[in-house]
Amino acid sequence: DQQVKQNSPSLSVQEGRISILNCDYTNSMFDYFLWYKKYPAEGPTFLISISSIKDKNEDGRFTVFLNKSAKHLSLHIVPSQPGDSAVYFCAASAGGKAAGNKLTFGGGTRVLVKP
Amino acid sequence: GAGVSQSPSNKVTEKGKDVELRCDPISGHTALYWYRQSLGQGLEFLIYFQGNSAPDKSGLPSDRFSAERTGGSVSTLTIQRTQQEDSAVYLCASSPVGTSGIIAKNIQYFGAGTRLSVL
Repeated sequence: DQQVKQNSPSLSVQEGRISILNCDYTNSMFDYFLWYKKYPAEGPTFLISISSIKDKNEDGRFTVFLNKSAKHLSLHIVPSQPGDSAVYFCAASAGGKAAGNKLTFGGGTRVLVKP
Repeated sequence: GAGVSQSPSNKVTEKGKDVELRCDPISGHTALYWYRQSLGQGLEFLIYFQGNSAPDKSGLPSDRFSAERTGGSVSTLTIQRTQQEDSAVYLCASSPVGTSGIIAKNIQYFGAGTRLSVL
């Protein structure tokens, strides 16, 4: 039962263009969403997050959009740079004491930015 | 160092042996999490600590898996009688915030992981 899904296992984009990564979730209790970036042999690094009370959050080249009715979020990277080549994970958490804020992760999308 | 530290970085063991994986969280972080990533998969939650207590052990796959945390700091994940399906990267994360009755920002900071290979 995959509660968080990233349906595109890989994405290839030209340097300078936009990268769009998608993520779908099924659990309506999720109220906080995060994107992590992972290089080989390293741990995931936090990139950007969004609370369910918002529909957009922007940080430099990275913007996350949340569509609660569709249970869908996306990460836009513009312009894409070769250093952005990594695996990107979407994650979600449900607030509240019982949940403990554990993260439920998607399977990841491998992004390759071509020079 | 300032980040989450995990040791060993790689561990090769024989089926049936016990292994211990260690995590040193960021100083002052009260919450600590263990996840694992099997080949080609996303991260799978194992256990969560708030201080030295583990209010959520729901992700531990079997009773061969256990974890403890002492002094609100270092945590050890122990796998007894390892099986080949235990082969994965085991990741530890820590967070400066605990639980809350309201929406709580939960940015977790990850270590580089321990790659466990069971032969």
